[in-house]
Amino acid sequence: EAQVTQNPRYLITVTGKKLTVTCSQNMNHEYMSWYRQDPGLGLRQIYYSMNVEVTDKGDVPEGYKVSRKEKRNFPLILESPSPNQTSLYFCASSLFAGPLYEQYFGPGTRLTVT
Amino acid sequence: AQRVTQPEKLLSVFKGAPVELKCNYSYSGSPELFWYVQYSRQRLQLLLRHISRESIKGFTADLNKGETSFHLKKPFAQEEDSAMYYCALGGSGNTGKLIFGQGTTLQVKP
Repeated sequence: EAQVTQNPRYLITVTGKKLTVTCSQNMNHEYMSWYRQDPGLGLRQIYYSMNVEVTDKGDVPEGYKVSRKEKRNFPLILESPSPNQTSLYFCASSLFAGPLYEQYFGPGTRLTVT
Repeated sequence: AQRVTQPEKLLSVFKGAPVELKCNYSYSGSPELFWYVQYSRQRLQLLLRHISRESIKGFTADLNKGETSFHLKKPFAQEEDSAMYYCALGGSGNTGKLIFGQGTTLQVKP
């Protein structure tokens, strides 16, 4: 089944403990991105990647890192999580960037930082 | 500034009633607009996009550049339409970024 998967789905951690949220797609998509969703704010883009080894900042990149070593994977790294990073995170992918290409979303990862 | 506004957090209607979910945008240039839907316990998925001019599950949306709006409409709501709906704007620069509104929860009562 063509899909975007994220792991873990739920995570509770403590301030400062490095964590990685994985994202993988099996559709051979070039474009991938990360969003965070907060109440009253909708989804905001954190980072995106046009293709392998090419990543760039979105609107809210502070406190996050990403890497794109393979086409199918786009992990989100929080080197030193803080409580303001408590949020619902979505990974998305599309064949290419741009409005002609439907973006497919993962199921979400709910992160709580205490 | 590029912005999407959905003024209603919650819209509650009875089955069979017409539905209109409001979306206004701010964008200089030709906007690319979308509606995404998230049903309970399911992932966010594309409902429709203005460039396709299509009707999906009975929903339509017309881009009104004069009013900078892209309202989602359905003449007769069904219970299975209950979900969270997000209006989104394609950001400039072909980055693939989507700028989302805050979302509107549609509740269709029997």
